Amino acid sequence: AQTVTQSQPEMSVQEAETVTLSCTYDTSESDYYLFWYKQPPSRQMILVIRQEAYKQQNATENRFSVNFQKAAKSFSLKISDSQLGDAAMYFCAYRSAGYGGSQGNLIFGKGTKLSVKP
Amino acid sequence: DAGVIQSPRHEVTEMGQEVTLRCKPISGHNSLFWYRQTMMRGLELLIYFNNNVPIDDSGMPEDRFSAKMPNASFSTLKIQPSEPRDSAVYFCASSLGGRASNQPQHFGDGTRLSIL
Repeated sequence: AQTVTQSQPEMSVQEAETVTLSCTYDTSESDYYLFWYKQPPSRQMILVIRQEAYKQQNATENRFSVNFQKAAKSFSLKISDSQLGDAAMYFCAYRSAGYGGSQGNLIFGKGTKLSVKP
Repeated sequence: DAGVIQSPRHEVTEMGQEVTLRCKPISGHNSLFWYRQTMMRGLELLIYFNNNVPIDDSGMPEDRFSAKMPNASFSTLKIQPSEPRDSAVYFCASSLGGRASNQPQHFGDGTRLSIL
């Protein structure tokens, strides 16, 4: 079964600085998708960025970018020019691209709580 | 465009009562998911519908939980009878295509359920 591990329960960053959140996953599959979701205190789950495993190029969305290392099964999120509004729980998630059974279910890590200091 | 809409946002009820959570997916999305979030277990998938049909309910904890999707724009998650250990945040999410598609799931704001 696939697992997702976020080894940093909490992180802190100074406003305008850069922070990297770690995520590793375990799978025997070659085709899958990876996501980062943000959950602010308002509780809403907001998609931040996604990566298809077959793409070698790292995904980027404005200040958010990932470092996808398929061989190492690593998928870290970098937030540049951190803003106060970035403070939230960040969840890494894995989804198989296969079919049948429970394949295709989103599997979440436990999350990393990010604080942004003014 | 409206996102996934869940109601109620908060629910507080006494043990043994029936609880019904509601979800309206994004128009045009044909996959719907119910998740439960707790501190101990994180986010867990309860049930997945595709084209209004339940495809995978292996995450439903026990018979006290049931979910329906009578049409493409509405789903309910019911707990009867409720127990204190059911207290959690329940999320509904929807997406285009099947669950293995490359389309992301879009989440509602969740329902915070407290069973006293």
